[in-house]
Amino acid sequence: GENVEQHPSTLSVQEGDSAVIKCTYSDSASNYFPWYKQELGKRPQLIIDIRSNVGEKKDQRIAVTLNKTAKHFSLHITETQPEDSAVYFCAARAPSGGYNKLIFGAGTRLAVHP
Amino acid sequence: DGGITQSPKYLFRKEGQNVTLSCEQNLNHDAMYWYRQDPGQGLRLIYYSQIVNDFQKGDIAEGYSVSREKKESFPLTVTSAQKNPTAFYLCASSISAPLAGGGETQYFGPGTRLLVL
Repeated sequence: GENVEQHPSTLSVQEGDSAVIKCTYSDSASNYFPWYKQELGKRPQLIIDIRSNVGEKKDQRIAVTLNKTAKHFSLHITETQPEDSAVYFCAARAPSGGYNKLIFGAGTRLAVHP
Repeated sequence: DGGITQSPKYLFRKEGQNVTLSCEQNLNHDAMYWYRQDPGQGLRLIYYSQIVNDFQKGDIAEGYSVSREKKESFPLTVTSAQKNPTAFYLCASSISAPLAGGGETQYFGPGTRLLVL
């Protein structure tokens, strides 16, 4: 079945620096890749997503890139701010028995230091 | 995602007890999901429902049961057969179960933290 690996598990940056989180997936049929941000004790919230027919997508300070050949996708956060500190999860959607389900990575804990 | 509610926020279970977690959505979404989140891990799918009166097992369904009698409600019961129930439980919904693409974005509720006494 589909497997999603996410790296690094923890990431510490200085305010204003960039942060990059990478995910790899195993099922080449995967066609949708969302990223969620989860603050401590709260619900995951969708911050950006990308479909397999697109190579890159941007939304202000965040961007996601997709390399279908290598089966990996990355989240880029520029000009990081302390409020970006959270756990970030990637996910991949792959067909499974006729139903497309999301497989999540294990998460990256991002700490942005003032 | 503000249209998905979960209750209670905290739940304590005694050994041998069944407990039920509530999930309600007013987004008119067809599909609903239950995930379990353990510390340092991602989200694992317990059960999902694509439509009223239908639900399917996810990856870790043992020790859990669900029902989907109404479109807006998808309660999860943690049975006494679940030997390690302590976790953060998240309910989610999407417009549709994305068989043909589109409507796949999942929105999460605020979660229920289950603790064992």
